Amino acid sequence: GAVVSQHPSWVICKSGTSVKIECRSLDFQATTMFWYRQFPKQSLMLMATSNEGSKATYEQGVEKDKFLINHASLTLSTLTVTSAHPEDSSFYICSAPGQGALESTEAFFGQGTRLTVV
Amino acid sequence: KQEVTQIPAALSVPEGENLVLNCSFTDSAIYNLQWFRQDPGKGLTSLLLIQSSQREQTSGRLNASLDKSSGRSTLYIAASQPGDSATYLCAPDKLSFGAGTTVTVRA
Repeated sequence: GAVVSQHPSWVICKSGTSVKIECRSLDFQATTMFWYRQFPKQSLMLMATSNEGSKATYEQGVEKDKFLINHASLTLSTLTVTSAHPEDSSFYICSAPGQGALESTEAFFGQGTRLTVV
Repeated sequence: KQEVTQIPAALSVPEGENLVLNCSFTDSAIYNLQWFRQDPGKGLTSLLLIQSSQREQTSGRLNASLDKSSGRSTLYIAASQPGDSATYLCAPDKLSFGAGTTVTVRA
């Protein structure tokens, strides 16, 4: 299947700093990517839909100024957690749908990024 | 808003036993449903994708059924192995996820 690479796999940062997480589709183009957040022992929560060449669509309750998403190319989307605080510590995962109609295709996930804010 | 429930939350079985994992969802107007496996601290690995027009999908020891009208899907894992130990998640249309069923297969 298609490969989605997410980097870094883990990061520790100081409170108040910003952290950038990259999500790349390695062998296919992704005009859309999804960003999720997962708390311990809970399921994934969709944060936003990243669209190549246009603004991201954020889910209700997700601060767009805090979680900046940039989808500058067909193979790269980035999530920047700005002015991070300890409550932002979580597991962040991206995904990209495979080729074909968005509704019917399989989703491929990155390896996830464990963010710890101290 | 789509709500997804997975039962049971956890399951522990001896090696060789068959596993039955249940997923229910509230909005039956879906395009597809996907089952994933997640190992601790890792991302998700896609297992099976069932389109809304299909009733089941098979891959090796895995079989997933879909009853769209009643909002249910079931993942069957035959002849379980210790390597099957993981959390299994279902996701209608990739956007909503259940909390998962954590499976432990004892050698």
